[in-house]
Amino acid sequence: DGGITQSPKYLFRKEGQNVTLSCEQNLNHDAMYWYRQDPGQGLRLIYYSQIVNDFQKGDIAEGYSVSREKKESFPLTVTSAQKNPTAFYLCASSSGGGGGELFFGEGSRLTVL
Amino acid sequence: AQSVSQHNHHVILSEAASLELGCNYSYGGTVNLFWYVQYPGQHLQLLLKYFSGDPLVKGIKGFEAEFIKSKFSFNLRKPSVQWSDTAEYFCAVQAYSGAGSYQLTFGKGTKLSVIP
Repeated sequence: DGGITQSPKYLFRKEGQNVTLSCEQNLNHDAMYWYRQDPGQGLRLIYYSQIVNDFQKGDIAEGYSVSREKKESFPLTVTSAQKNPTAFYLCASSSGGGGGELFFGEGSRLTVL
Repeated sequence: AQSVSQHNHHVILSEAASLELGCNYSYGGTVNLFWYVQYPGQHLQLLLKYFSGDPLVKGIKGFEAEFIKSKFSFNLRKPSVQWSDTAEYFCAVQAYSGAGSYQLTFGKGTKLSVIP
């Protein structure tokens, strides 16, 4: 089945630690995105990538980093510099080009203890 | 940059009531418009989308939305809600952000609770 796989589903981290969230897609999509979802805040864009080896900051990129070495993979690292990392993180992809529907993964819930 | 405003944070309806969720956006150029739904414990799913053409679009599960360009609005409607429509609904606007990129901006969401 085609889709987007995020792992882990739940993650606990101690303060001061970096953590990497995985996102893999087999939809052959060019564009990939990371969003953060907080109650009452909707989804806010962290980073996005339109093509391999290229990515741009979204609205709330501070304290996060990404890489796009392969078309199907777009991992997100939540660094210790992120002041409020506890959140639900959603990865998405789209075929890119002239815009279009985003397909979402099931999300990863990160809790910082 | 574009922004999206959803007027209601939480809507409570009885089954069979009609639904209208408001969505307004601010952006002067051409946009693509979406409504996504997130059922409890599930991932975001597309309800419907508007790219061009007929401003009244129909989606899954009996939902529809009307794009009114002069009002920068894309309100979601359903004539008769069911308990299974209980979910959070997100309006989203997609616009060209330069260098071949399209950015999708979401509203803060509206929680719909349908009482049997």
